[in-house]
Formats: sequence, C-alpha cells, structure tokens
Amino acid sequence: SQQGEEDPQALSIQEGENATMNCSYKTSINNLQWYRQNSGRGLVHLILIRSNEREKHSGRLRVTLDTSKKSSSLLITASRAADTASYFCATALNSGYSTLTFGKGTMLLVSP
Amino acid sequence: NAGVTQTPKFQVLKTGQSMTLQCAQDMNHNSMYWYRQDPGMGLRLIYYSASEGTTDKGEVPNGYNVSRLNKREFSLRLESAAPSQTSVYFCASSEQYQETQYFGPGTRLLVL
Repeated sequence: SQQGEEDPQALSIQEGENATMNCSYKTSINNLQWYRQNSGRGLVHLILIRSNEREKHSGRLRVTLDTSKKSSSLLITASRAADTASYFCATALNSGYSTLTFGKGTMLLVSP
Repeated sequence: NAGVTQTPKFQVLKTGQSMTLQCAQDMNHNSMYWYRQDPGMGLRLIYYSASEGTTDKGEVPNGYNVSRLNKREFSLRLESAAPSQTSVYFCASSEQYQETQYFGPGTRLLVL
C-alpha cells in the first residue's frame, strides 16, 4: 500500500479560486515534499516541510503538516491556468535507510 | 547549469532487445535515482545510488541493472526488454538521499 496518498485524485476549478490538495501517510517521517508535474515533463520540487515544522509558505503556495494526523495539505491561492498540472507528495520515512516514496498524485485543472 | 539530462528522449525497442538509458547531473549531487512512471501508478523507484560507488534496489528492480559510472553519471540498462517495461523513465538527483530531488525530462520507452 502507498505510504503517501493524495486526495482528491482530480480537482477542477476556475482561475482565481483556491485549490487544496491533501496527502495522508502511514508511518513516521523525517520530511514531506510536494512536487508539480506538467504534462509530459519531469517533476519540479515545490516545498519541503520537516517533521518539526507545521507550516511553510512559498509565494502562492502554503503547506501544512499535522504529524498527529499523519497528513499534509497544499494550498494554491488565486490559481492561474498555468497551475494546471499533477501534484505529488513524497515522504521521507523516519526509519531505516529509505529514499522518498511518492504518491499517485492529484490532477489539477484550472480553467480560464 | 543544465541540471539533470537524460538520453535518449524517445526509444522504440523490440522484445528481447537491450538498451542503456543515460543520465547525468552537473549539480555535484551525491545521490541519484531511476524511476518509472506508468498511468495511475505514480512514480516507482527502480534503483538508486546514495553516493558514488554504491547502488541499491528500489521497489521494482527486476529486469534492470544500473551503473554509477562516476559522481555525475548514473545509467540504467535493460538487458532483454519486455512489453511490461513500456513506460516513462525519469532520472533524478539530490544532494543527500532524503532531500529535494531534481528530475530530468524523462525517456519515453515503447517495447513492442
């Protein structure tokens, strides 16, 4: 089963609206990362939030982390058509020697 | 700074043929990774190299081999291609193994 799972699988909004995506995970983590993938391209890193942090901002992006609920959310404010992409969360486990584990992603469509 | 480069961009193989996917990074990163991405499956780790001189299996290593040629280059070899290996392959690198990953543009492979 997936360590990190995004919700919803797909999201369709109008330009100017906010978009919220969630990620849930199962085991203790060192950090959680969000990536964006435009169609046919490689993934691009957006934000890394460590287990001792609760919130981080980067431009129009806001990420929260609730380790007690094992969940994170990515908020994109005032969305633009250019934000149309798939968004993935990736978790770095706090046990053993492990690399990042990626979820299956949320597809975001922002219509003009 | 080219970041992470991958060659080739596209490849068509017949079942049983072999090929090597090349990846290079110019960011002096210690860790490098190979993923495959299939529709609905997200990113799955094939092999990774935490540091120069080491390689380890990921989630789906069967049918693949890797070589960390030097700090910059990490190649993925398919010895006898199968239709199940039709996928998009991404190479990534990071300064350390659980930190931010930087992705290449991908190689689209079709095995007939």
